[in-house]
Amino acid sequence: EDQVTQSPEALRLQEGESSSLNCSYTVSGLRGLFWYRQDPGKGPEFLFTLYSAGEEKEKERLKATLTKKESFLHITAPKPEDSATYLCAVQAPFSGTYKYIFGTGTRLKVLA
Amino acid sequence: DAGVTQSPTHLIKTRGQQVTLRCSPKSGHDTVSWYQQALGQGPQFIFQYYEEEERQRGNFPDRFSGHQFPNYSSELNVNALLLGDSALYLCASSLAPSAYYHYEQYFGPGTRLTVT
Repeated sequence: EDQVTQSPEALRLQEGESSSLNCSYTVSGLRGLFWYRQDPGKGPEFLFTLYSAGEEKEKERLKATLTKKESFLHITAPKPEDSATYLCAVQAPFSGTYKYIFGTGTRLKVLA
Repeated sequence: DAGVTQSPTHLIKTRGQQVTLRCSPKSGHDTVSWYQQALGQGPQFIFQYYEEEERQRGNFPDRFSGHQFPNYSSELNVNALLLGDSALYLCASSLAPSAYYHYEQYFGPGTRLTVT
């Protein structure tokens, strides 16, 4: 069964304390892996798309990497405004089209 | 460039009632997907519309139905509301499905539905 698992469920960091979030997946024929940021009560905000193992993308303090079984979202020197839930989603073939499967997210809290 | 818009922002309904949620896709997008997000959970796929047809569907009962209009906007209808239908309903838009091209979905702000 196709599945996306994110860890940890929650993470508290001090401002400037770098860390990584994990997204592991088991899907047949991965077409893309997506990272989103979601603030409370709002829709997810697109961050990155990764297509193939070894690929890396960066945006400000965030860097996403992809292997054949997992993706990492590295946060370097985080600031309080980076506090949010980070969601991972995969796109895989399904019945002639595709499906989009989300993980449950990692709730990040950055303390000043 | 307008992003994905949804209406209403919040909605309170009683068990057994029916509700309609609306979505306008990001400019240039022609595919709309709907998701249900319970508190503390990731979005769960409901269904996707492209060319005014339902193209695929997640594990949701027939009480959940939808429609896409010629201008690509979409509606989500839920009949016979249950308490468990209380959630944030998200609309996402993208370019049309392709067997060869990867693309990302852009989400709207969501509609918070509370069923009492």
